[in-house]
Amino acid sequence: AQSVSQHNHHVILSEAASLELGCNYSYGGTVNLFWYVQYPGQHLQLLLKYFSGDPLVKGIKGFEAEFIKSKFSFNLRKPSVQWSDTAEYFCAVNAYRDDKIIFGKGTRLHILP
Amino acid sequence: DTEVTQTPKHLVMGMTNKKSLKCEQHMGHRAMYWYKQKAKKPPELMFVYSYEKLSINESVPSRFSPECPNSSLLNLHLHALQPEDSALYLCASSQEGRGVAGNTIYFGEGSWLTVV
Repeated sequence: AQSVSQHNHHVILSEAASLELGCNYSYGGTVNLFWYVQYPGQHLQLLLKYFSGDPLVKGIKGFEAEFIKSKFSFNLRKPSVQWSDTAEYFCAVNAYRDDKIIFGKGTRLHILP
Repeated sequence: DTEVTQTPKHLVMGMTNKKSLKCEQHMGHRAMYWYKQKAKKPPELMFVYSYEKLSINESVPSRFSPECPNSSLLNLHLHALQPEDSALYLCASSQEGRGVAGNTIYFGEGSWLTVV
């Protein structure tokens, strides 16, 4: 069965700091990988996704993520965060030939102005 | 903006009431999902419909009853709920039900349910 681990449950950074949120998944086969963001009181929005090809994917709002197959990781990065990036971030995995998308427990990011 | 529309946005119901949550998408997606999200927790999968057939039921209690009248609509019928069922109920859709390359799930804004 698939599983997703997000190591950082709560991260606090100052504006302009660099961000890296960890995500590891457990599944032996081919997967689709996602990062979703949920701003306070709002719905889930797709930040970026990886299906195949270049393991470095760029998403909206200056975010990017790198898929490292050997480490089963899909870490999210942003060089310089803004106060408006305060939100909950969810890593998710969907195995090929499976109807499910499984979410990690989420990382709450708080940016200090 | 999300193209998955959910109604109502907020619902308060008593434990003896019968109500329904509705979801609609016009993206031609053939898979639709219900997720439940409690505060400060990740979404938990409840049901998946693929090509209008129920393909996954994650051992959800029978007081939740899904229905897919057609490929664009998904309902969640609620009956005899408990206060612990209070949560955000998210509908989602994707092009295909099976995990294939390029399959992305898009979420609606959710229906906030409070059971009193």
